[in-house]
Amino acid sequence: EVVMTQSPATLSVSPGERATLSCRASGRLGTNLAWYQQKPGQAPRLLIYGASIRATGIPVRFSGGGSGTDFTLTISSLQSEDSAFYYCQQYNHWPHLSFGGGTKVEIK
Amino acid sequence: QAHLVESGGGVVPPGKSVTLSCEASGFDFSSHGMHWVRRAPGKGLEWVAIIWFRGDTEYYAESVRGRFTISRENPKNTLYLQMNSLRVEDTAVYYCARDSGNKTVYGYSDLWGRGTLVTVSS
Repeated sequence: EVVMTQSPATLSVSPGERATLSCRASGRLGTNLAWYQQKPGQAPRLLIYGASIRATGIPVRFSGGGSGTDFTLTISSLQSEDSAFYYCQQYNHWPHLSFGGGTKVEIK
Repeated sequence: QAHLVESGGGVVPPGKSVTLSCEASGFDFSSHGMHWVRRAPGKGLEWVAIIWFRGDTEYYAESVRGRFTISRENPKNTLYLQMNSLRVEDTAVYYCARDSGNKTVYGYSDLWGRGTLVTVSS
C-alpha cells in the first residue's frame, strides 16, 4: 500500500501571500494525484487532478505540480475563504486508493 | 444540479450493524463508479470502498474488508454501505463520492455528499 505524507501539518499564511503544500508518496504515481479542499462541516471539493489540472470552477490561484513521488499544491495569493484542510490522494495504485493526512491552512 | 445525500448514521453499539444510503440526483448515476470515504474525529480522510458503475466490481480498504459491503441499485439512484461487526475505531463521518469517470473508473471524486455521522459506542 502506498503511504501519502503531507507537510506541514499546519500552515499559517497572511492574506495575499503564497501558500505551498507538499505531498510525498512512498511509491511512484506518475501524475495520478488529486488535491481536495475541505472546510468545517462541508463536503470535500476536488481542486486538482492529474497532479496539475484544475477542476471545473476552481480559481486560477490554485495550482498543482510534481510527478512521481513529490507533489505540491500552491495557492498563489491566499484569500480568507481558503482557510481549510487540504488533502492529496493517489489513484495510481489500485485497489488501495489512499489519502494523505492533510494540511490545515490558517489565515494569519 | 448534481447532488449526493447520505443517510442512515447514528449511534451503534460495538459489534452491531448499520446500513448507510446515498441518494444521487441530477446526473446519470448508472454511468459512474461510486466511493465511500470516511473521516474519523481529529483525523484525515480515509478511503473505504469503491463500486464500479455496473456494480460488478468492488474494492475495499484493508481496515474494513470482510466487515463492510458496498452495493448499489441503479434504478433507484442509490448507493449503500452495509457495515457489520462495527468497532469503536469505525466512528467517523461517512461520505459518498462520485468517481469522475463516465462509463469508466479513474479513482478520484468530483462530487461529494455532506456526510452522515456513525458513532460506535456502548
